[in-house]
Amino acid sequence: ETGVTQSPTHLIKTRGQQVTLRCSSQSGHNTVSWYQQALGQGPQFIFQYYREEENGRGNFPPRFSGLQFPNYSSELNVNALELDDSALYLCASSPGATQGGTEAFFGQGTRLTVV
Amino acid sequence: GNSVTQMEGPVTLSEEAFLTINCTYTATGYPSLFWYVQYPGEGLQLLLKATKADDKGSNKGFEATYRKETTSFHLEKGSVQVSDSAVYFCALHRRAAGSARQLTFGSGTQLTVLP
Repeated sequence: ETGVTQSPTHLIKTRGQQVTLRCSSQSGHNTVSWYQQALGQGPQFIFQYYREEENGRGNFPPRFSGLQFPNYSSELNVNALELDDSALYLCASSPGATQGGTEAFFGQGTRLTVV
Repeated sequence: GNSVTQMEGPVTLSEEAFLTINCTYTATGYPSLFWYVQYPGEGLQLLLKATKADDKGSNKGFEATYRKETTSFHLEKGSVQVSDSAVYFCALHRRAAGSARQLTFGSGTQLTVLP
């Protein structure tokens, strides 16, 4: 089975621009979560999508938005980029939104640099 | 809310030394507990997990026991190798029907093993 893949791997954007990051979930997984990992910190939960609907959100402003498609792949969109948005963005997929304890499988991440 | 507190790093050990990385948590209900590892330039890999009190997770010589009475999940390994050099993250997921599968991470502990 294929793992979680993210694209692009690296990205440089200018403050004020918009960015779209992409994630293909692991085969058979219908739940995708996005995390932001600032340098030297642990990942912070942004939001989760289950069967194409957002079903949970962390403490991130509305300029962070997302989509999930019928094939369960997902996009993270960030508008009006700020310097503090520079981070590693991680996507994780898992089999089902309500099955506690089942592991999440992470992609390699997209390194976003805002200048 | 949920939180995870991890031992501050960095930790530097000689090969074959004993490793302990402390992790304590705060959560309502009965969370599942995880240790993830992140190698340089990569995403997160699940190292081990425990889903209920007194469970012991183990993998690749690493162990951690879910201690509800002390709200702890300390990571241990009897003999570390140079290849264990990485950042280790303790995380929790609280099981609740209908909730998003949100992982709450600690800040990470950088481990360097010297030959």
